[in-house]
Amino acid sequence: GAGVSQSPSNKVTEKGKDVELRCDPISGHTALYWYRQSLGQGLEFLIYFQGNSAPDKSGLPSDRFSAERTGGSVSTLTIQRTQQEDSAVYLCASSSVSGSTGELFFGEGSRLTVL
Amino acid sequence: DQQVKQNSPSLSVQEGRISILNCDYTNSMFDYFLWYKKYPAEGPTFLISISSIKDKNEDGRFTVFLNKSAKHLSLHIVPSQPGDSAVYFCAASVGGANSKLTFGKGITLSVRP
Repeated sequence: GAGVSQSPSNKVTEKGKDVELRCDPISGHTALYWYRQSLGQGLEFLIYFQGNSAPDKSGLPSDRFSAERTGGSVSTLTIQRTQQEDSAVYLCASSSVSGSTGELFFGEGSRLTVL
Repeated sequence: DQQVKQNSPSLSVQEGRISILNCDYTNSMFDYFLWYKKYPAEGPTFLISISSIKDKNEDGRFTVFLNKSAKHLSLHIVPSQPGDSAVYFCAASVGGANSKLTFGKGITLSVRP
């Protein structure tokens, strides 16, 4: 498709389990971001990939969170030993460095519920 | 520490009137500002942006004003339409466009027919 694709759209898991969330950015976009939105909160930055540069991981809340971007395209966000406070909508966005407006194109998000 | 603040959680206006959504920031290094709109169960979509070298940017019904000395920006929607009802996020970055964005908590705008 033409937009950012995320899967799964909904994930319910038990506390302590690991989860993987996938993001397929817009073709040709070199920048990829992960954000999350907890209930009643704004969008919290998690991690940023730009081309072949080392990712900016400054927003990852703990070492239980990690992300990879393979081949400069698809990205996977992994949360190990999930906790209830990890429940949120995880949003992926991509952008073209050559874009002049700084516009991020967001996917519809993956809603994670940790029981 | 919230570097981008949207202190009013909600706003309700009559169709046809002006909507003014406010945003304050604390980081003086921010040099690029954006507004995003979000409908339920959808990802945010870009609305309008402004560089710190400007104080106003207009796109159709939407105008963003930037007051650097006050570290304040606002989004004006004129005239407001029911389809504008959504959550509006203010965002800012250091290093211009194509840099990591810091978002506010959002404002829920309701436009009454």
